[in-house]
Amino acid sequence: GEDVEQSLFLSVREGDSSVINCTYTDSSSTYLYWYKQEPGAGLQLLTYIFSNMDMKQDQRLTVLLNKKDKHLSLRIADTQTGDSAIYFCAEKRDSGTYKYIFGTGTRLKVLA
Amino acid sequence: DAGVTQSPTHLIKTRGQQVTLRCSPKSGHDTVSWYQQALGQGPQFIFQYYEEEERQRGNFPDRFSGHQFPNYSSELNVNALLLGDSALYLCASSFEGVVGYTFGSGTRLTVV
Repeated sequence: GEDVEQSLFLSVREGDSSVINCTYTDSSSTYLYWYKQEPGAGLQLLTYIFSNMDMKQDQRLTVLLNKKDKHLSLRIADTQTGDSAIYFCAEKRDSGTYKYIFGTGTRLKVLA
Repeated sequence: DAGVTQSPTHLIKTRGQQVTLRCSPKSGHDTVSWYQQALGQGPQFIFQYYEEEERQRGNFPDRFSGHQFPNYSSELNVNALLLGDSALYLCASSFEGVVGYTFGSGTRLTVV
């Protein structure tokens, strides 16, 4: 099927690290993305990773990709209250398709 | 630099009516995609427009139609509205060679 799966909720304390997980469906996926959605807003692209990479680091964000298990994770270091939001992973499959397939989102709550 | 602009931000329609949503892409972007985000769900791909043509369509009935104008702006039309069409409709723009979409803040459609 087309389901991209994510856990629904994650709660962490301010200053701790957050790890949000995602399982995608298609081994031919070329790009995998992480988007952030704050209340009442659209989606903001946080970071992405090409399918030929295992890891990508961008300031406080680290993306890990395990292609064998079709598993993607986003680690946020030193999580702040401003990081509270819904995080979506999305996959773009092989060439010939333009659509992104999004997960259902993980709601991250950061406790002060 | 203005990002993706959508209008209106909110609207309420009655079952059976028709609605038109509008989107202006980010400057320099030539491709517009539309997504439907039901409450508590991830965005679902409706269709993508490029060079004023529908390039790809998701699993939506033909009550959903669209248009792209020469200035790259786009409209999404939904006919014969159903209660289940209530959702946040997101417009996303992109450009070949740029990774990832830029999303607008969305139009919240409520069908009563």
